[in-house]
Amino acid sequence: ETGVTQSPTHLIKTRGQQVTLRCSSQSGHNTVSWYQQALGQGPQFIFQYYREEENGRGNFPPRFSGLQFPNYSSELNVNALELDDSALYLCASSLVLAGGGEQFFGPGTRLTVL
Amino acid sequence: GESVGLHLPTLSVQEGDNSIINCAYSNSASDYFIWYKQESGKGPQFIIDIRSNMDKRQGQRVTVLLNKTVKHLSLQIAATQPGDSAVYFCAENQAGTALIFGKGTTLSVSS
Repeated sequence: ETGVTQSPTHLIKTRGQQVTLRCSSQSGHNTVSWYQQALGQGPQFIFQYYREEENGRGNFPPRFSGLQFPNYSSELNVNALELDDSALYLCASSLVLAGGGEQFFGPGTRLTVL
Repeated sequence: GESVGLHLPTLSVQEGDNSIINCAYSNSASDYFIWYKQESGKGPQFIIDIRSNMDKRQGQRVTVLLNKTVKHLSLQIAATQPGDSAVYFCAENQAGTALIFGKGTTLSVSS
């Protein structure tokens, strides 16, 4: 069974640029969630995708957007990067949609905005 | 607002001791809770979960207790080992979508 993978591992961008982060879900999982984890904090929910549609969104501005593909992999796009966007971005996949279920996390992408 | 938080940011124990990590939540409607372990440079790793229709659940060396009256849950680790050193988060699952995490407790185990 293949676990959740994310790419790239690390990324450095400058303020105002755009970035795309990628996630491959665990085999058999159809739901992907994205989280932002600032240094020393717990992960914060950005949004979730199920069957290629956004299914829930946290308190993040529209410049954070995403996609889910037919093979359930996903992308997180961030436009007009700000210094505060520097964080660890985590992707989590799960199988069940409703009623709560275990979410399996990838290793994350460390984004630094200069 | 609704939030999940932990009582102590750090906990230091000796190898072989039992560890207890606490978490308080504010949303009385919460019905599913998860404990995650996060090691440096890695994503959170599932430890154990519990639903609101239970008071206690046991795993291998870990036990989660849920007290709905005071909106409190705890994670007990028996015979703590150096490999248990990590940041521990409690999280609440809302409506099957968002995991709401607390700030975490850093567990340090000395041998």
